[in-house]
Amino acid sequence: GAVVSQHPSWVICKSGTSVKIECRSLDFQATTMFWYRQFPKQSLMLMATSNEGSKATYEQGVEKDKFLINHASLTLSTLTVTSAHPEDSSFYICSASIAGSQETQYFGPGTRLLVL
Amino acid sequence: SQQGEEDPQALSIQEGENATMNCSYKTSINNLQWYRQNSGRGLVHLILIRSNEREKHSGRLRVTLDTSKKSSSLLITASRAADTASYFCATILTGGGNKLTFGTGTQLKVEL
Repeated sequence: GAVVSQHPSWVICKSGTSVKIECRSLDFQATTMFWYRQFPKQSLMLMATSNEGSKATYEQGVEKDKFLINHASLTLSTLTVTSAHPEDSSFYICSASIAGSQETQYFGPGTRLLVL
Repeated sequence: SQQGEEDPQALSIQEGENATMNCSYKTSINNLQWYRQNSGRGLVHLILIRSNEREKHSGRLRVTLDTSKKSSSLLITASRAADTASYFCATILTGGGNKLTFGTGTQLKVEL
């Protein structure tokens, strides 16, 4: 149980385009989902916390107008990278915590974004 | 900002040997967790230790926590080639809700 999926697993796009990444909890309801980015050989950096039905909370230094997060249901959160630039190329990982059991996060497999 | 620093950054051992990774953190925590990440993949939760616990076991994993030194260690006994991965500690800070703050990670390579 506690499976989280991400789609797509990898994406290549041209500079200036927008890319949407989906994060789904497959067998549980997630009131909270988290979005991270990870550069090669580095750790995960939290970008934002996404709560179902409310606005996401962004970490300091993360542009909310550039990284749009929508958490429309208890099983789906989306991250849209708007007007992507090469420096946005990274590995984006989402995680979800089960309602009532917030300590453990279950991670998706990640989405590798390459902006040309 | 990253809460934890891990040591060593990279570790290479032979199959069957034990691997020890250390994590230090800076501020008061509710709990500390260890995760594994295979190359280019998501994270797998390994073990959680609460601030009032000192040691925890799960299979071949042994985690210790010393809150006075603000440090934790992960021991993998009888390592296998399949244990090759990056290992991260992550903390939930006191009053930090359920936000995880990750350490810098240790890249473990287990050779046959």
